[in-house]
Amino acid sequence: KAGVTQTPRYLIKTRGQQVTLSCSPISGHRSVSWYQQTPGQGLQFLFEYFSETQRNKGNFPGRFSGRQFSNSRSEMNVSTLELGDSALYLCASKHAFGGSDTQYFGPGTRLTVL
Amino acid sequence: QKEVEQDPGPLSVPEGAIVSLNCTYSNSAFQYFMWYRQYSRKGPELLMYTYSSGNKEDGRFTAQVDKSSKYISLFIRDSQPSDSATYLCAMKRENQAGTALIFGKGTTLSVSS
Repeated sequence: KAGVTQTPRYLIKTRGQQVTLSCSPISGHRSVSWYQQTPGQGLQFLFEYFSETQRNKGNFPGRFSGRQFSNSRSEMNVSTLELGDSALYLCASKHAFGGSDTQYFGPGTRLTVL
Repeated sequence: QKEVEQDPGPLSVPEGAIVSLNCTYSNSAFQYFMWYRQYSRKGPELLMYTYSSGNKEDGRFTAQVDKSSKYISLFIRDSQPSDSATYLCAMKRENQAGTALIFGKGTTLSVSS
């Protein structure tokens, strides 16, 4: 079974631009979560989607948004990029919402904001 | 105080050593505890998954959870150079809004041959 895939793997943007990142979960997984990883803050939860609905949101500004499609693929958007948004953005999928299901991570998208 | 604290290291050991990695946490509601391993330029991969207190063993890896002390550990026996990676502890926070994994900042481990 193929793992979680994320595209693109690397991205360079300038301040003020916006960016869209894509995540394809493991086949059959319906829950997708997004995380931001930086050296200073570590891995921080952004949001979780299940059945095309945002179910949970972390403590990030409204510039960070996402959506999920009917095939469970998810996109994350960051508008008005700031230097501090430079990070590794990780997507994780699991079979269902809640419960003891474990999350499986993709390789991440490395975003650099200049 | 952060919900999860983890010493970032780095930790350097010779091949064959026993490695002990630890995390403390403040939220007594945490019930699910995980250890992830992350190699450079890769996403985290799940190593161990434990529910509530107790020990769990998987090959060279042993996870321990002490809920009374709010302390979890990962032991690696007979460490190998391939174990060189960043190890992240994670705990599942569940509330009415949903679930989220709360991570420690990770401990970087280097095993020399």
